Amino acid sequence: DADVTQTPRNRITKTGKRIMLECSQTKGHDRMYWYRQDPGLGLRLIYYSFDVKDINKGEISDGYSVSRQAQAKFSLSLESAIPNQTALYFCATSYRGDTQYFGPGTRLTVL
Amino acid sequence: QKEVEQNSGPLSVPEGAIASLNCTYSDRGSQSFFWYRQYSGKSPELIMSIYSNGDKEDGRFTAQLNKASQYVSLLIRDSQPSDSATYLCAVTAEGTYKYIFGTGTRLKVLA
Repeated sequence: DADVTQTPRNRITKTGKRIMLECSQTKGHDRMYWYRQDPGLGLRLIYYSFDVKDINKGEISDGYSVSRQAQAKFSLSLESAIPNQTALYFCATSYRGDTQYFGPGTRLTVL
Repeated sequence: QKEVEQNSGPLSVPEGAIASLNCTYSDRGSQSFFWYRQYSGKSPELIMSIYSNGDKEDGRFTAQLNKASQYVSLLIRDSQPSDSATYLCAVTAEGTYKYIFGTGTRLKVLA
């Protein structure tokens, strides 16, 4: 079984809809991250969490929110999706500040 | 703005040759350095991590770090067509947990 899982793997939605992307991990890591990847722009950090009670904005948090329901679960929400949020979204985990391990990704398309 | 720079490529090398991938970073206080491999549409996968000046070898891969010159490189010996992918350089900013990613170098190994 994969150590970091993401659901759904693919999602097509319409402008204005609320979307939730979920991430779960069995690695026992304390830190979790959400990134988006766009062609030519690389990976950009949306939100990160050091533990259940510590959530922080990354460089592109506008239009997104997160919830750390448990040490192993970190969800990303788009309150009102817009087309320029079409991207590949990755969850990652790490133990403290060390190596980050990525989930398989969610391909989100907003029409 | 702390940056990590990579040549986007594509870098084309014949099968069996050495591929050399380079990365420069702007934050002199950076402490941890990582190379990830990413196949198209897939998640980044850790290849190497390096923390101190010099070379670190793992199989066909060698990471080289030179903090004085602020660059880190990845050498792939005996390149195989399966090595064709985008290689992402990541650097942790001084005093933080955060990774700063380069936009990646696309490598093509020609059979």
